[in-house]
Amino acid sequence: DAKTTQPPSMDCAEGRAANLPCNHSTISGNEYVYWYRQIHSQGPQYIIHGLKNNETNEMASLIITEDRKSSTLILPHATLRDTAVYYCIVKALSGGYNKLIFGAGTRLAVHP
Amino acid sequence: GAVVSQHPSRVICKSGTSVKIECRSLDFQATTMFWYRQFPKQSLMLMATSNEGSKATYEQGVEKDKFLINHASLTLSTLTVTSAHPEDSSFYICSASVREGRWEQYFGPGTRLTVT
Repeated sequence: DAKTTQPPSMDCAEGRAANLPCNHSTISGNEYVYWYRQIHSQGPQYIIHGLKNNETNEMASLIITEDRKSSTLILPHATLRDTAVYYCIVKALSGGYNKLIFGAGTRLAVHP
Repeated sequence: GAVVSQHPSRVICKSGTSVKIECRSLDFQATTMFWYRQFPKQSLMLMATSNEGSKATYEQGVEKDKFLINHASLTLSTLTVTSAHPEDSSFYICSASVREGRWEQYFGPGTRLTVT
């Protein structure tokens, strides 16, 4: 699975959009981009995933560049409850065990 | 969405004793379950992958005789930390997958183990 690079930490004001970048320059054609987040002392929570098209759900939007070498997770109106560590994971959706390997992630702090 | 539970949520045990952590998929059958360990201020580290009815596959560097994993049914996997030592104190998290090849993986709330 391709390696990802994320900034270690980011700040965001409550009510503003939080844009979390992720670099995955070695991504392969069959690998998806997944985003999870972990609120302190809880298990990770799935946010969104995509292959090449931009994706949106009730939690966030995922923007993937045309060359697929980077992506951005957007939380449109961040709240204090969005303070968490956000993990960008690249993984192929193929047969076999779909284990997720977590990197260091980005620690997002949303402040009033 | 699918729910995964863990029991206990917190456990304190004495050094040298063994402790068992349960991971249950409450409303779906999980063919594959995963066990992670997380030390303070660090990321999750995958320990092992288990499939119902077969032996677990351990990641490199994880002692299989120390961390015993049993996946006896499609809704239950257990992790037993044998002869626990203070350095085993950590946050243990399980996740469950609906079936092989699918991306959906649901995480439990975690178990905090403290070995005194």
